[in-house]
Amino acid sequence: SQQGEEDPQALSIQEGENATMNCSYKTSINNLQWYRQNSGRGLVHLILIRSNEREKHSGRLRVTLDTSKKSSSLLITASRAADTASYFCATIDVGRGSARQLTFGSGTQLTVLP
Amino acid sequence: TAGITQAPTSQILAAGRSMTLRCTQDMRHNAMYWYRQDLGLGLRLIHYSNTAGTTGKGEVPDGYSVSRANTDDFPLTLASAVPSQTSVYFCASSKGLADGNEQFFGPGTRLTVL
Repeated sequence: SQQGEEDPQALSIQEGENATMNCSYKTSINNLQWYRQNSGRGLVHLILIRSNEREKHSGRLRVTLDTSKKSSSLLITASRAADTASYFCATIDVGRGSARQLTFGSGTQLTVLP
Repeated sequence: TAGITQAPTSQILAAGRSMTLRCTQDMRHNAMYWYRQDLGLGLRLIHYSNTAGTTGKGEVPDGYSVSRANTDDFPLTLASAVPSQTSVYFCASSKGLADGNEQFFGPGTRLTVL
């Protein structure tokens, strides 16, 4: 079963605009990761936010985490056509004991129009 | 640095035939993973290995087997392929257990079972 669910499933914006993607998860976590996947390629790690952090920045990326609402958001500022990709959140259910493996959501497909 | 390599890039396989998907990493990572990615379902973990000599079952292990004879290689075998195993398969690795460690992904193998 999927731990994280991204919203929206698809997002289309103009170059220069900001893009916001949301992720909701079901159980307690230690951290949440965001990944990016270009069409036909493997996933690339973008950023990790720990459960005791509320916000984290990396370049044009801003990630927030609200553990009380079990949700996270990924903001890409001043988007570029090259940001066109699918974005996934990934978490580990801390209740799964030794089987502490990442569970990915179904992703948000972002299209940035030039 | 090659990172993670997968072979073949793509394959068409007749139902009932066996096949081994190869995965090699040169980062000396302890943990390795196999995922399948299907449209609308995100990535689902098939099998994982936390260190050479050990393997574990993920979310969808049926019909697949793995081995981890050494640190670098983590082959995935389909003993008798079925059409429902048509998917894109990604191998990944991380320094240690998934929690708190980013995963590095290979380019994927696109498998079609007819």
